[in-house]
Amino acid sequence: KNQVEQSPQSLIILEGKNCTLQCNYTVSPFSNLRWYKQDTGRGPVSLTIMTFSENTKSNGRYTATLDADTKQSSLHITASQLSDSASYICVTPYSGAGSYQLTFGKGTKLSVIP
Amino acid sequence: NAGVTQTPKFRILKIGQSMTLQCTQDMNHNYMYWYRQDPGMGLKLIYYSVGAGITDKGEVPNGYNVSRSTTEDFPLRLELAAPSQTSVYFCASSNMPRVGEKLFFGSGTQLSVL
Repeated sequence: KNQVEQSPQSLIILEGKNCTLQCNYTVSPFSNLRWYKQDTGRGPVSLTIMTFSENTKSNGRYTATLDADTKQSSLHITASQLSDSASYICVTPYSGAGSYQLTFGKGTKLSVIP
Repeated sequence: NAGVTQTPKFRILKIGQSMTLQCTQDMNHNYMYWYRQDPGMGLKLIYYSVGAGITDKGEVPNGYNVSRSTTEDFPLRLELAAPSQTSVYFCASSNMPRVGEKLFFGSGTQLSVL
């Protein structure tokens, strides 16, 4: 079964601290994995995409990693800011029964406190 | 550039009532989607469309209907609303999802069926 599991479910950190969010997937064959940030009351917004050939990719204070062997991806946030408070969702596509679908994780809710 | 626009933002329905959630995008994307997001759950695909006049069921289509008469608009119709349809609904669009193109989401419609 194609699944995306995220951990932790929620996380509270102090402003300025670093944190790492995890995403494990069982989708096969794998093509890409995308991280989205969802602010409260808003739709998700793409942060970055990881493809099979990429191990690490940075987007400002966000660094995503991918280990295709263990089927794990992580999102590391450096020097957190209050505006980083949001849910972070990882998503990967799968093809089945002639259709193309996306599997969404349940997300990690990050709270950055002063 | 407005992106994906959803209306209304909030709605309360009585059991058995019907309504249409509106979605329009100005990016000339062929692919459009309707998702629902329940608390603590990943986004679930209701319906999607690969172009004007073409729609298909997603993972949770029961109780909903869609139409796609233009590239820009993709309304979602709820017939005979039930409490199980209480959720946050997101419309999204993309260019070429099979090559990992990101989804652009609207800001959501929070629907309560009482």
